[in-house]
Amino acid sequence: DTAVSQTPKYLVTQMGNDKSIKCEQNLGHDTMYWYKQDSKKFLKIMFSYNNKELIINETVPNRFSPKSPDKAHLNLHINSLELGDSAVYFCASSHSRLNTEAFFGQGTRLTVV
Amino acid sequence: AQSVTQLGSHVSVSEGALVLLRCNYSSSVPPYLFWYVQYPNQGLQLLLKYTTGATLVKGINGFEAEFKKSETSFHLTKPSAHMSDAAEYFCAAEANNAGNMLTFGGGTRLMVKP
Repeated sequence: DTAVSQTPKYLVTQMGNDKSIKCEQNLGHDTMYWYKQDSKKFLKIMFSYNNKELIINETVPNRFSPKSPDKAHLNLHINSLELGDSAVYFCASSHSRLNTEAFFGQGTRLTVV
Repeated sequence: AQSVTQLGSHVSVSEGALVLLRCNYSSSVPPYLFWYVQYPNQGLQLLLKYTTGATLVKGINGFEAEFKKSETSFHLTKPSAHMSDAAEYFCAAEANNAGNMLTFGGGTRLMVKP
């Protein structure tokens, strides 16, 4: 069983489109995250949710909107995609805000053309 | 703001040789520290972490790291490299009050020559 699963694994889309990436964790964790890894492999946190509530939003354009329908899911919706949004997006989860071990999904490679 | 620096974006070693990947953090208060490994087209997997207590931390796959407060370092080592160790390695830090927000270093690609 995959602990943190993301879909799709690959996503190629045109500029201006709206797309979503889904993330689900079956670990019973309270806290979930989205990270962005750029073409130079640099990883940066985007959002963190704890029990469906947003706790971290790291100056991400408001074209990016996370949605957490329940604490096992944290989806990422991106409006009006731009070339610069091309990256690998990783979902992660941890037991709680105080538990420091994060489990990562396999990533979604988004390519905007 | 906290930062994490990994010296050397690429490290190449021969199979059986010592692996040393360097990580330094900048923080007035020692953060929690982590090493993650990323195999091609895979997510990040936790190798080891330091929170409190013993400064030499052992992780999976024979890796270990030592927290040195005086040097603000958390270098990753493995006595003998295997071909299967070839991957990207990320050092990360979390300030104690940052609510699990990890700051990552730029990554080091480890190449292992036969």
